[in-house]
Amino acid sequence: DQQVKQNSPSLSVQEGRISILNCDYTNSMFDYFLWYKKYPAEGPTFLISISSIKDKNEDGRFTVFLNKSAKHLSLHIVPSQPGDSAVYFCAASGFYNQGGKLIFGQGTELSVKP
Amino acid sequence: GAGVSQSPSNKVTEKGKDVELRCDPISGHTALYWYRQSLGQGLEFLIYFQGNSAPDKSGLPSDRFSAERTGGSVSTLTIQRTQQEDSAVYLCASSDSTASFNQPQHFGDGTRLSIL
Repeated sequence: DQQVKQNSPSLSVQEGRISILNCDYTNSMFDYFLWYKKYPAEGPTFLISISSIKDKNEDGRFTVFLNKSAKHLSLHIVPSQPGDSAVYFCAASGFYNQGGKLIFGQGTELSVKP
Repeated sequence: GAGVSQSPSNKVTEKGKDVELRCDPISGHTALYWYRQSLGQGLEFLIYFQGNSAPDKSGLPSDRFSAERTGGSVSTLTIQRTQQEDSAVYLCASSDSTASFNQPQHFGDGTRLSIL
């Protein structure tokens, strides 16, 4: 039972355009959502998060949108840069999950072409 | 550095041997987590520490896996009698949970474990 799903294994975008990465979840008890970026042979790097009391959070070129009724979140990167090429993981946690362990999606590999 | 440090970065061992993986969290972070990522898979939770206690061990796959944390800092994950299916990247993360549980976790670069 996969509680967090990223249905697109890969995405290719032209430099300067918008990248939109999507994530769906099934557990309505999740109340905190995060996006991580991962380069090969490195650990995931925290990008941006959002609490379930909000529907949008913005940090520079990165914006996360949360649609609780649809159990869907997305990460927008504008403008996309070649250095953004990496695997992006969405993750979720809930107050009921003692200690806030993260449940991860399978990842989406983003390729930004010059 | 100020980040999460893991050692060794790579470990190759024979099936049946025991291995010990080490994690040094960010100074002052009270919460520490172990995850693993098998080939082509997402990250899978293993165990969580708050201080030296492990309130959630629900992700440990078998009794061959154990972990401890001492002094509220360094943690070791031990795998006994390793099997080939234990091959994976083992990742450690820490967070400052003193304010609330909804704090981002910061990851080390992992230990790549290969069982021959």
